[in-house]
Amino acid sequence: DAMVIQNPRYQVTQFGKPVTLSCSQTLNHNVMYWYQQKSSQAPKLLFHYYDKDFNNEADTPDNFQSRRPNTSFCFLDIRSPGLGDAAMYLCATSRDLDRVITDTQYFGPGTRLTVL
Amino acid sequence: AQKVTQAQTEISVVEKEDVTLDCVYETRDTTYYLFWYKQPPSGELVFLIRRNSFDEQNEISGRYSWNFQKSTSSFNFTITASQVVDSAVYFCALSEARQGGKLIFGQGTELSVKP
Repeated sequence: DAMVIQNPRYQVTQFGKPVTLSCSQTLNHNVMYWYQQKSSQAPKLLFHYYDKDFNNEADTPDNFQSRRPNTSFCFLDIRSPGLGDAAMYLCATSRDLDRVITDTQYFGPGTRLTVL
Repeated sequence: AQKVTQAQTEISVVEKEDVTLDCVYETRDTTYYLFWYKQPPSGELVFLIRRNSFDEQNEISGRYSWNFQKSTSSFNFTITASQVVDSAVYFCALSEARQGGKLIFGQGTELSVKP
């Protein structure tokens, strides 16, 4: 029944060691988002894919990259994690028919990243 | 600029009490969408409701109800007869049509329902 799946749920990495977080969806939605949520804060949008078009937020550090090989999968790559990157990473999807109409975003369970 | 304010950082109630979570928003767009999400301790953001700016009808879903008032730019959320399982962080969010779906979240209200 899971519609937006994130793996792993918990990830531990070392300072500076690249890490990849995974998101998949069974909703066939054309838009996929990555959010970063630090403790006691609201989710913060890092970037999103509208179909194959990548849209980066202006304040997203270069350390964060993303790949979307097909409609169902999207990856978040953190090239050199720092202690400040420890957070919950949330993937979301939505079905937008054009770039104006807004549909609901459905979130996955998140991956909690720890940086040692 | 768009903004969402949830003035209540934390609310604590006893089970069966009614509780209202406040949400005030700012936008210059005439077409926009408002959302409420629930985030239990497990971390997943659970969608509760979506409202567009042209629909001011209040909505009730079981113990949940929402009051949308454009005149005061508010979209408040009431839980009737609260239960321990309602304990979570609740986020109100705004999306403007011209921003292509980007969600602007409030800071969240942490609701604690005690037995």
